[in-house]
Amino acid sequence: GQSLEQPSEVTAVEGAIVQINCTYQTSGFYGLSWYQQHDGGAPTFLSYNALDGLEETGRFSSFLSRSDSYGYLLRQELQMKDSASYFCAVLSNDYKLSFGAGTTVTVRA
Amino acid sequence: ETGVTQSPTHLIKTRGQQVTLRCSSQSGHNTVSWYQQALGQGPQFIFQYYREEENGRGNFPPRFSGLQFPNYSSELNVNALELDDSALYLCASSHGQGSETQYFGPGTRLLVL
Repeated sequence: GQSLEQPSEVTAVEGAIVQINCTYQTSGFYGLSWYQQHDGGAPTFLSYNALDGLEETGRFSSFLSRSDSYGYLLRQELQMKDSASYFCAVLSNDYKLSFGAGTTVTVRA
Repeated sequence: ETGVTQSPTHLIKTRGQQVTLRCSSQSGHNTVSWYQQALGQGPQFIFQYYREEENGRGNFPPRFSGLQFPNYSSELNVNALELDDSALYLCASSHGQGSETQYFGPGTRLLVL
């Protein structure tokens, strides 16, 4: 089966940088995805890493180390609208997407 | 391009009843996955349908079943409802099985009393 660990809560101020770590244990690993979910909303796709290294898209980056079973999502220049839950999710070779419990990010003025 | 839609948005049922939830996939997508999200938790994979066939299932009992239709819309059926089935049910569509990018609908919030 799959298990994922990520911090339950992170608080940061506007304009700061926040990093959300994710460690996983899985069989048949394909890649690591990140999703954002605002209260009462649908999860929305942010990024996907299949290979080791850093992927950058605008204000955020995502990193993967397959040998360490570890990844992170980095958000820069935080804005109030970035307050949300962030989920890492492992895609495995049985077509299953397994989510972590989520990290609630609170951005303070 | 039409996004993923789900119906109904909210539903209240009693223990032992049966429920059917519906999902219309994004145009051009042939794969639908269903998830259960309890309060404060991440979505839990129920199953996935690709071209009308179930091709992956999570740790959910057989009373959770589904269908996918030729237009790739889908249904989730839950029989013999239990209190613990109260959750947000999300469907997500994608193009192809095993896609890393899934597009989620707004969900159906089910309350079992």
